[in-house]
Amino acid sequence: QKEVEQNSGPLSVPEGAIASLNCTYSDRGSQSFFWYRQYSGKSPELIMFIYSNGDKEDGRFTAQLNKASQYVSLLIRDSQPSDSATYLCAVMSGNEKLTFGTGTRLTIIP
Amino acid sequence: KAGVTQTPRYLIKTRGQQVTLSCSPISGHRSVSWYQQTPGQGLQFLFEYFSETQRNKGNFPGRFSGRQFSNSRSEMNVSTLELGDSALYLCASSYRDTYNSPLHFGNGTRLTVT
Repeated sequence: QKEVEQNSGPLSVPEGAIASLNCTYSDRGSQSFFWYRQYSGKSPELIMFIYSNGDKEDGRFTAQLNKASQYVSLLIRDSQPSDSATYLCAVMSGNEKLTFGTGTRLTIIP
Repeated sequence: KAGVTQTPRYLIKTRGQQVTLSCSPISGHRSVSWYQQTPGQGLQFLFEYFSETQRNKGNFPGRFSGRQFSNSRSEMNVSTLELGDSALYLCASSYRDTYNSPLHFGNGTRLTVT
């Protein structure tokens, strides 16, 4: 089992709709969780992080964490074409190593 | 504040050679991590340095090594290059003062091994 798993996509979402990106992790001792966005040919940039169960909102983005289910998700409301990118889930494990998923490629259709 | 700077941006090497990549972190950041990114494997953790000490290491062969200097700048070395080492190498820095300190990535070094 991979340490951090994401559906590779591509995930296609109409402009203005909600995009839902999911991530599961294997280490129950994981402490914090990050979402990065990576445009083609660019380096990853941090969108947000979460470390407590529940929801965390930042503008159009909402991160959701369920430690019991070992599941973290990212919701993007009112999706824009500029949101088209690969979204990387990263998990800080109990041994303080940050592990990335392989990413989900998101395409927003105008 | 200047971002993470990686040099060079592009490198072309032949099998068997060695290569050194450089990373200058954001001012004040004491942690530097290195990742290898390939289309098939995604971002793979190489190692992390904090205050000149290797703090964590990924599952890469000993051909991959690194170090960190007193000014937090870091170098990564790959010896006896193989074709499979062709990848984007990303450096990221952080304060690492808490477990939720985010990483800030540089633009990467694209290494091609022929």
